[in-house]
Amino acid sequence: DAGVIQSPRHEVTEMGQEVTLRCKPISGHNSLFWYRQTMMRGLELLIYFNNNVPIDDSGMPEDRFSAKMPNASFSTLKIQPSEPRDSAVYFCASSEANTEAFFGQGTRLTVV
Amino acid sequence: TQLLEQSPQFLSIQEGENLTVYCNSSSVFSSLQWYRQEPGEGPVLLVTVVTGGEVKKLKRLTFQFGDARKDSSLHITAAQPGDTGLYLCAGGRGSNYKLTFGKGTLLTVNP
Repeated sequence: DAGVIQSPRHEVTEMGQEVTLRCKPISGHNSLFWYRQTMMRGLELLIYFNNNVPIDDSGMPEDRFSAKMPNASFSTLKIQPSEPRDSAVYFCASSEANTEAFFGQGTRLTVV
Repeated sequence: TQLLEQSPQFLSIQEGENLTVYCNSSSVFSSLQWYRQEPGEGPVLLVTVVTGGEVKKLKRLTFQFGDARKDSSLHITAAQPGDTGLYLCAGGRGSNYKLTFGKGTLLTVNP
């Protein structure tokens, strides 16, 4: 298996623009997580899906952030409008029945 | 509020040296995980400890969970350049999915 696949690997955008990050979890995994990593705050859970259903979105910073999982093999994290303080590395991770979570390589987002 | 404090924040040592990094909290966790993250990659799980006082060994790495399940340590014997990376601890409570991560210890092992 190729592991968790995220795209793009790097994204540079201007403040106010919409940004969409994509994730393909490992086949057969029923849990999907979106994390954000910064030097100041470390690794933070944004949202957790189980069987494609959002279970916990308490970590989503504000209404500018939204996440969807239309099927078991695809999820998106959207920021609209983006702001410079959203600059971070965004990770997607998947797991099978709340066992070990496997992380993707991340998307490094820079908002200028 | 930073629930998991990791120390030291940075550590640079020579190949062959031993080292210990720490993960401390004022809160009790039902499980504690250690991850290693290399530049440009996501974290990779090394070990999970769930019992107070538990010790687990993974080759040259020894992990210990504190008796009160509030703290943990990672000891590396005879460090090698391949051990270089960001070591993260993460605590779990109740629901298995929700982990609280520390900010990590950035380890550099120089040849």
